[in-house]
Amino acid sequence: AQKVTQAQTEISVVEKEDVTLDCVYETRDTTYYLFWYKQPPSGELVFLIRRNSFDEQNEISGRYSWNFQKSTSSFNFTITASQVVDSAVYFCALRHTDKLIFGTGTRLQVFP
Amino acid sequence: DAGITQSPRHKVTETGTPVTLRCHQTENHRYMYWYRQDPGHGLRLIHYSYGVKDTDKGEVSDGYSVSRSKTEDFLLTLESATSSQTSVYFCAITSGRAGEDTQYFGPGTRLTVL
Repeated sequence: AQKVTQAQTEISVVEKEDVTLDCVYETRDTTYYLFWYKQPPSGELVFLIRRNSFDEQNEISGRYSWNFQKSTSSFNFTITASQVVDSAVYFCALRHTDKLIFGTGTRLQVFP
Repeated sequence: DAGITQSPRHKVTETGTPVTLRCHQTENHRYMYWYRQDPGHGLRLIHYSYGVKDTDKGEVSDGYSVSRSKTEDFLLTLESATSSQTSVYFCAITSGRAGEDTQYFGPGTRLTVL
């Protein structure tokens, strides 16, 4: 069965702190894709990153970085020097056939 | 911007009434999806479509039907709305090269069933 677990329901940090959002997945597919989406308070879902199972290199985009480890079935997301604008719900998702399986999300609150 | 609109954006209705939500896209994407978002559950797939008149069920399809008579429109119908269908509904499309496609989401419809 395919499953995505985001064990952290809510995280609160103070601005400029680094924060890591955990994502653990289960799949029997040999080829798969993992995603992160951001849902700010305004409610829209914003695509952040797609990673395929063949590429285990970490990815960095500005203050955002992603650590993909097949050995532990994890795809963690780190925000460096967090800002108030990073406050949102973040979803990790696994692509299985033509569908996405989402985790339950992690609410990140960044306080000034 | 993946050119996805949803209508209505907000709706309040009463138990037992039929409701239709519309998803419209302007970029000729083949795949379209309907999800619902509820606290503690993340997003769950209701139905999806892989072409005109080609649809399939998702994880939480009971009580919902869909139709796709044109590439650009994907309709979600609640035949007889219940309070458990109070939720935020998101439409999505898949864009990108086959095998590397990414789902992009519409702005959502907030539905309240009283």
